[in-house]
Amino acid sequence: DVKVTQSSRYLVKRTGEKVFLECVQDMDHENMFWYRQDPGLGLRLIYFSYDVKMKEKGDIPEGYSVSREKKERFSLILESASTNQTSMYLCASSFRTNSYEQYFGPGTRLTVT
Amino acid sequence: RKEVEQDPGPFNVPEGATVAFNCTYSNSASQSFFWYRQDCRKEPKLLMSVYSSGNEDGRFTAQLNRASQYISLLIRDSKLSDSATYLCVVRTDSWGKLQFGAGTQVVVTP
Repeated sequence: DVKVTQSSRYLVKRTGEKVFLECVQDMDHENMFWYRQDPGLGLRLIYFSYDVKMKEKGDIPEGYSVSREKKERFSLILESASTNQTSMYLCASSFRTNSYEQYFGPGTRLTVT
Repeated sequence: RKEVEQDPGPFNVPEGATVAFNCTYSNSASQSFFWYRQDCRKEPKLLMSVYSSGNEDGRFTAQLNRASQYISLLIRDSKLSDSATYLCVVRTDSWGKLQFGAGTQVVVTP
């Protein structure tokens, strides 16, 4: 079974803090993704990575950065958290060929106060 | 215009009934198609891939109409456990990026 884990289920941070969200997958997937999900807006892609040390901007990269130093690990960084970054953050992974199905972690509900 | 559009619902369905809903996609070059299911406060999970000839998985049937650019999902003999939000998903690039619809909510009632 594919397993994608995220470092925290719930997180509360203050405005201006640096926030690290970590994602680990155990299926040797090349691709990894970070999304945020907000009511009525669906899933929006923040960043994705198709290989170690590679990253590509998604639809809403502003205010975020990412790091992929190892194939199984993809980190999302909020350099200076703001209240409009309060959201559910979902990590996903997939193979780069053939099936492309993405498998999601359980999500991190981040609240910025 | 959104790349993938869905009727948000909710579709209220009596237990045992059949429900069907569509989604439309805007990019005619879309290459792969999926339905995901998302329970309240949980992560999306793959329900089924959608193939050009249509496919079935138990009580679930998916159809793809490339000419009209829509995908459908039909659920037969609805169970209470089918209550969820169903996300329509398409792949438009060769790297594996997916475009997600905002979801259709289905509520199965006793």
